Amino acid sequence: GAVVSQHPSWVICKSGTSVKIECRSLDFQATTMFWYRQFPKQSLMLMATSNEGSKATYEQGVEKDKFLINHASLTLSTLTVTSAHPEDSSFYICSARREGVLTGELFFGEGSRLTVL
Amino acid sequence: GQQVMQIPQYQHVQEGEDFTTYCNSSTTLSNIQWYKQRPGGHPVFLIQLVKSGEVKKQKRLTFQFGEAKKNSSLHITATQTTDVGTYFCAGPPGGANNLFFGTGTRLTVIP
Repeated sequence: GAVVSQHPSWVICKSGTSVKIECRSLDFQATTMFWYRQFPKQSLMLMATSNEGSKATYEQGVEKDKFLINHASLTLSTLTVTSAHPEDSSFYICSARREGVLTGELFFGEGSRLTVL
Repeated sequence: GQQVMQIPQYQHVQEGEDFTTYCNSSTTLSNIQWYKQRPGGHPVFLIQLVKSGEVKKQKRLTFQFGEAKKNSSLHITATQTTDVGTYFCAGPPGGANNLFFGTGTRLTVIP
């Protein structure tokens, strides 16, 4: 199966700092990647759709200036949490779909657990 | 916006018992997907259903897509301890290519 790698797996930062999370598709090209957020024992909430070479599409209620998404290549998307605060602490998971496939399964990264002190 | 609800939220079963989780969407879905997330892990794709009324089987798992393409179910026969995890349904609203996840059902299997 396709492999999606996320880095870092966990990060602890001080309030007010910015944190960058990387999502890479290792053995396939992904025109579209998705960023989700998951609180403990809850579902995955779609934050944004990351499109290679263009601006991300954010879901309602997600601040685009706070959660900066960049999809510079077909294998890499990054999520930067700017000026992080304790309420941003969460599990962030990226996922990708194979290039050229509009529907179909998503391949998920291992997730990044962010703790903001 | 689209809402995808699942019931029950939690289910504890004795090993060997059957288990079913139900998924209901507020909007019609072009397809429905099911994922399993083990504790501490990430979601892993199980299956995709596309056609109205479609039924698919994977060993002890049976997946069903409703006629109106707004609901789905996952049934596990004779649960095993390896079935432990949270089961999510997910679907794209209309013709969109993004995926909204259901609320999930957390399954605990008691040996």
